[in-house]
Amino acid sequence: EIVMTQTPLSLPVTPGEPASISCRSSRSLFESADGNTYLDWYLHKPGQSPQLLIYALSYRASGVPDRFSGSGSGTDFTLKISRVEAEDVGVYYCMQRLEFPYNFGQGTRLEIK
Amino acid sequence: EVQLVQSGAEVKKPGEFLKISCQGSGYSFSSYWIGWVRQMPGKGLEWMGMIYPGDSDTRYSPSFQGRVTISADKSLKIAYLQWSSLKAADTALYYCTRRGSPQLGSAFDYWGQGALVTVSS
Repeated sequence: EIVMTQTPLSLPVTPGEPASISCRSSRSLFESADGNTYLDWYLHKPGQSPQLLIYALSYRASGVPDRFSGSGSGTDFTLKISRVEAEDVGVYYCMQRLEFPYNFGQGTRLEIK
Repeated sequence: EVQLVQSGAEVKKPGEFLKISCQGSGYSFSSYWIGWVRQMPGKGLEWMGMIYPGDSDTRYSPSFQGRVTISADKSLKIAYLQWSSLKAADTALYYCTRRGSPQLGSAFDYWGQGALVTVSS
């Protein structure tokens, strides 16, 4: 099965500053048959259900602010927040959807300094 | 409006049977996969498995195969997660989630509110 590894596991950020989370997969998540990369990002805010941020590598989900962006290729991926706001606090997860079983990364806890 | 509404919190004893539910509304329930995700206390998200209610095609993570059963009743628009014999290690928050349309990447776009399962003697 495909293993997902995130770094860092903890990320303290000053409001207004950028933030970046890395995710690596044990195999390429690119599907040549359709040209998609099956890597998604989710945010799990305290006391809420997880929410989809980015799907298929770089597409923002409905309602997600444009300060969030996803990039990468093959096995290395990055979630960037251009300017962190207080409401961005929570745990960020990457997840692969290329093949079963789907797997999440360990999660990166973003906190405000 | 798409909604996934899960059954309430449960407190059970080791060895007991449990079946929790996830009711979908606001969309064609039969046409979208429903997944289940576990979050153990203080831990991250774990993908357990998923079911396509239209034909009951089911996929499990090897970590959960044989430990839980995922099912669905498309007429009632409900998906289920069940244990035949609970263990203390099953204590966790369980989320159901819908895999969205291919046009929108088929990611997990809607989530239930979560169901807390506590197993203790």
